[in-house]
Amino acid sequence: GAVVSQHPSRVICKSGTSVKIECRSLDFQATTMFWYRQFPKQSLMLMATSNEGSKATYEQGVEKDKFLINHASLTLSTLTVTSAHPEDSSFYICSARGFGGVGFGTQYFGPGTRLTVL
Amino acid sequence: AQSVTQLDSHVSVSEGTPVLLRCNYSSSYSPSLFWYVQHPNKGLQLLLKYTSAATLVKGINGFEAEFKKSETSFHLTKPSAHMSDAAEYFCVVSPPGGGADGLTFGKGTHLIIQP
Repeated sequence: GAVVSQHPSRVICKSGTSVKIECRSLDFQATTMFWYRQFPKQSLMLMATSNEGSKATYEQGVEKDKFLINHASLTLSTLTVTSAHPEDSSFYICSARGFGGVGFGTQYFGPGTRLTVL
Repeated sequence: AQSVTQLDSHVSVSEGTPVLLRCNYSSSYSPSLFWYVQHPNKGLQLLLKYTSAATLVKGINGFEAEFKKSETSFHLTKPSAHMSDAAEYFCVVSPPGGGADGLTFGKGTHLIIQP
């Protein structure tokens, strides 16, 4: 139980384009999803927290207009990197937390998405 | 406020020998504590968690951790290392209550297994 998927696993795009990353909880309903960024050989940095049906809460220093987060259902959250630039290249990881049963009280992480902006 | 310190950035052990990854935390309340493992270019997998029940927590793949309030520690151990254990390990703290919001990550410990 408590499986989280991400799609795509790897994406390469040109500078100035937008990229959408999907995060899905496969066997539980995730009232809250989290988006993290991880630079090489570093720990995870929380970017934003999203609750189903409401606006995401962004951490200090994270541009909400650049990193658009949508959490339209209890099993899906999306992160769109708008007008991507090379400095946005990173490993993006989502996690999901349920409200009962499987997934409650713990963040379960997706496998990550490697974004490379040329 | 809460913080977590992983005392070793790298740990190297021989296959078949015990593993000890050290973690100390700081918290103004009784926190929830987690250990996650990350293999190269993969997401994080939960090894085990402590949420104020038994202080000795058993996790997957033979790992366990002991919560010691007096020492503010939550060290991860395994009796016998396997080559597949080579990965990055993160100690994580969150506020109590089981909500798992506001996770604070340690900087990670890279575990190397020598054949």
